[in-house]
Amino acid sequence: KQEVTQIPAALSVPEGENLVLNCSFTDSAIYNLQWFRQDPGKGLTSLLLIQSSQREQTSGRLNASLDKSSGRSTLYIAASQPGDSATYLCGAQGGSEKLVFGKGTKLTVNP
Amino acid sequence: SQTIHQWPATLVQPVGSPLSLECTVEGTSNPNLYWYRQAAGRGLQLLFYSVGIGQISSEVPQNLSASRPQDRQFILSSKKLLLSDSGFYLCAWARGAGGYGYTFGSGTRLTVV
Repeated sequence: KQEVTQIPAALSVPEGENLVLNCSFTDSAIYNLQWFRQDPGKGLTSLLLIQSSQREQTSGRLNASLDKSSGRSTLYIAASQPGDSATYLCGAQGGSEKLVFGKGTKLTVNP
Repeated sequence: SQTIHQWPATLVQPVGSPLSLECTVEGTSNPNLYWYRQAAGRGLQLLFYSVGIGQISSEVPQNLSASRPQDRQFILSSKKLLLSDSGFYLCAWARGAGGYGYTFGSGTRLTVV
């Protein structure tokens, strides 16, 4: 059974700092890994999707990497801004086509 | 382009009352459909998923049921709500055969009183 863990659970940084969010998964037989952002009371917004054959994906100030062999993914946010404050969730999709989520990292970027 | 609609946005229901949450997808055919619940302080829990009309798989035994009467419609129901059914319910879709990622709706905040 796939289990996904996200560390840290919460993170507070000053504006402008570069930061890394971590995601680990127990079953390396995944189709893809997807990073989402969730604002309070809102649904999930997809940030980056990394296919199992890929090592990383980039979108603007965001870069996500995937290491299937070690069961890890990281989300790198460059030059953080207050608008980046949100909860970040990673989900691992396996052969059953079900997306299993971690509990998220709550990020606060202070002006 | 594909869009996913979920309603209502918020709902306050008394214990013992019925529930019906609806989710529809536009711009695609034969999507995989999913219902998740996010309870306070807990992660996202997969409740039901469907790979086709009338095909429902349940992940967690509970007071809820799901139906897929049409290709792009997914309904979450309960005959009698419990206090523990309170939470944030999210519908999602994905292309079949895996590997394409999920798209989520905006969610329904259900409070059972």
